[in-house]
Amino acid sequence: DSGVTQTPKHLITATGQRVTLRCSPRSGDLSVYWYQQSLDQGLQFLIQYYNGEERAKGNILERFSAQQFPDLHSELNLSSLELGDSALYFCASSTRTSGRDEQYFGPGTRLTVT
Amino acid sequence: QQQVKQSPQSLIVQKGGISIINCAYENTAFDYFPWYQQFPGKGPALLIAIRPDVSEKKEGRFTISFNKSAKQFSLHIMDSQPGDSATYFCAASMVPGNQFYFGTGTSLTVIP
Repeated sequence: DSGVTQTPKHLITATGQRVTLRCSPRSGDLSVYWYQQSLDQGLQFLIQYYNGEERAKGNILERFSAQQFPDLHSELNLSSLELGDSALYFCASSTRTSGRDEQYFGPGTRLTVT
Repeated sequence: QQQVKQSPQSLIVQKGGISIINCAYENTAFDYFPWYQQFPGKGPALLIAIRPDVSEKKEGRFTISFNKSAKQFSLHIMDSQPGDSATYFCAASMVPGNQFYFGTGTSLTVIP
């Protein structure tokens, strides 16, 4: 158990809908990362937050957004969902953001868009 | 564009054999190279990591070999066991930021 929690574990929704994925980092970790894992794209970095502020953006679509709250939990919002958004979404956390920090991954949320 | 290239895509090894997974990168700004292990239905878990100031790091049966001039690094699993059957990802990151660039993964199957 990494100490990172994610809810829900599974999510099934229809195209055009909006969903929110939630992540709680390990105790003491200030940095949260979101990744998308699909069969054809592998693990793709979406976005990073550090202590409430956006720190880095990766291949995140404009339909997607995220935030980190004062209690350090983070939410990833996915809107106008398309079939291609079906994937595993992972949250990871680290203590800092030095570039050499271990990232601890949560169990993921499996999103299925029908 | 894939920043970290990983091979092979899949690997089948006999129990007791050596599993070798290779990764290559182009960006010389990368200076942290972790390997993650992922079992079905689970999140990736850190296995071992190396920094470019050393050429090899060993932890138990797992060894990372790093060739800075060739911009390549590899994971060696000695005495492979059926319990090692999983997907392995290499990654790279740079200072500052800590954004990880992952390879495409290698599915390892160890046959008893």
